Amino acid sequence: GESVGLHLPTLSVQEGDNSIINCAYSNSASDYFIWYKQESGKGPQFIIDIRSNMDKRQGQRVTVLLNKTVKHLSLQIAATQPGDSAVYFCAENSMGNEKLTFGTGTRLTIIP
Amino acid sequence: GAVVSQHPSWVICKSGTSVKIECRSLDFQATTMFWYRQFPKQSLMLMATSNEGSKATYEQGVEKDKFLINHASLTLSTLTVTSAHPEDSSFYICSAIRTANTEAFFGQGTRLTVV
Repeated sequence: GESVGLHLPTLSVQEGDNSIINCAYSNSASDYFIWYKQESGKGPQFIIDIRSNMDKRQGQRVTVLLNKTVKHLSLQIAATQPGDSAVYFCAENSMGNEKLTFGTGTRLTIIP
Repeated sequence: GAVVSQHPSWVICKSGTSVKIECRSLDFQATTMFWYRQFPKQSLMLMATSNEGSKATYEQGVEKDKFLINHASLTLSTLTVTSAHPEDSSFYICSAIRTANTEAFFGQGTRLTVV
């Protein structure tokens, strides 16, 4: 079936450094992608999204890159802070499809 | 962003009893709400899609008679876990969207423990 997956299940980054979290998807019809952050015991929190007509989108300290050719999505977090420690999920859906498909998640740990 | 409120945030119940979880979109009308289940250190698993005024669509392997979903209005969906057993213990999360192919807003989740 269709799936969205992550390359790295865990990632440790020194505070202040930049981090990159990767995600691969398999549905070529996917045209909307979202990154979520989930802290322990809480629901996912929206970080940033991107549509398939773009290959890069920037937010505050975060950048999402989309490579449709190889079906790859990444989330870059600049100048990481302790509060960035969480599990990060990519999610995708396709036009007309209400359901989001989630990746397996990457646990990001920021080392003080 | 929009706010989705989920209640209760945690509940402990005895085996065999039923538990109702509410999901409300506080500042927008949600055409569709979703219910997820999440086990420790795992991703979110979609259980069902709920549209106001119609029957929920359940994912394969999810028992519709055990996980009753009611979507009475554009701002409220409820999930009732009937005859709960310890294996139903999990983190249940709802989300809501305004329209298809847009950002989903998540509730804070409900930790269900069945003893």
